[in-house]
Amino acid sequence: DQQVKQNSPSLSVQEGRISILNCDYTNSMFDYFLWYKKYPAEGPTFLISISSIKDKNEDGRFTVFLNKSAKHLSLHIVPSQPGDSAVYFCAASGGNRDDKIIFGKGTRLHILP
Amino acid sequence: GAVVSQHPSWVICKSGTSVKIECRSLDFQATTMFWYRQFPKQSLMLMATSNEGSKATYEQGVEKDKFLINHASLTLSTLTVTSAHPEDSSFYICRAAYGYTFGSGTRLTVV
Repeated sequence: DQQVKQNSPSLSVQEGRISILNCDYTNSMFDYFLWYKKYPAEGPTFLISISSIKDKNEDGRFTVFLNKSAKHLSLHIVPSQPGDSAVYFCAASGGNRDDKIIFGKGTRLHILP
Repeated sequence: GAVVSQHPSWVICKSGTSVKIECRSLDFQATTMFWYRQFPKQSLMLMATSNEGSKATYEQGVEKDKFLINHASLTLSTLTVTSAHPEDSSFYICRAAYGYTFGSGTRLTVV
């Protein structure tokens, strides 16, 4: 039973355009949501997070939107840059720092020149 | 802050042998650490939660006798893959429950 779902295995975006990565979750107990960027044979790098009490969080080129009623979140990257090419994982947690983090399957983002 | 160090970064071992992977919190104390495994092109799957001074909690389907976890201090948790087989070849990653930072991972190849 997949609690965090990323239905797009891959996404290609032109450099300079907006990249939108989507994520859905099923567990209503999740209280905190995170996005990670990952390269092969490296640990995931934390990008941005959002608490369930908010609907938007912005950090530089990265913005995460949360629609709690739809159990949906998205990561917007604008403008997209070649260095953004990587696998992006959506993740969810209970909200406390010692809670488990549950990951989606990831979306591979290709930024085209 | 919240730096997590993982060692080794890669290891090759023969079938039947055991391999130990270390996860250290460098600038904080962590009573809880988490161990994940990632097969190629797949998600990061939580294997177990490591608790300092007590037994680890394993996720469903993870063999506790095969993946031994020891969390003897507030800054170190170890994962030992016992009697390793080729199907145990994977990327193992740890996280310390202080922040949302992960270790750099360990690539295990069993030949």
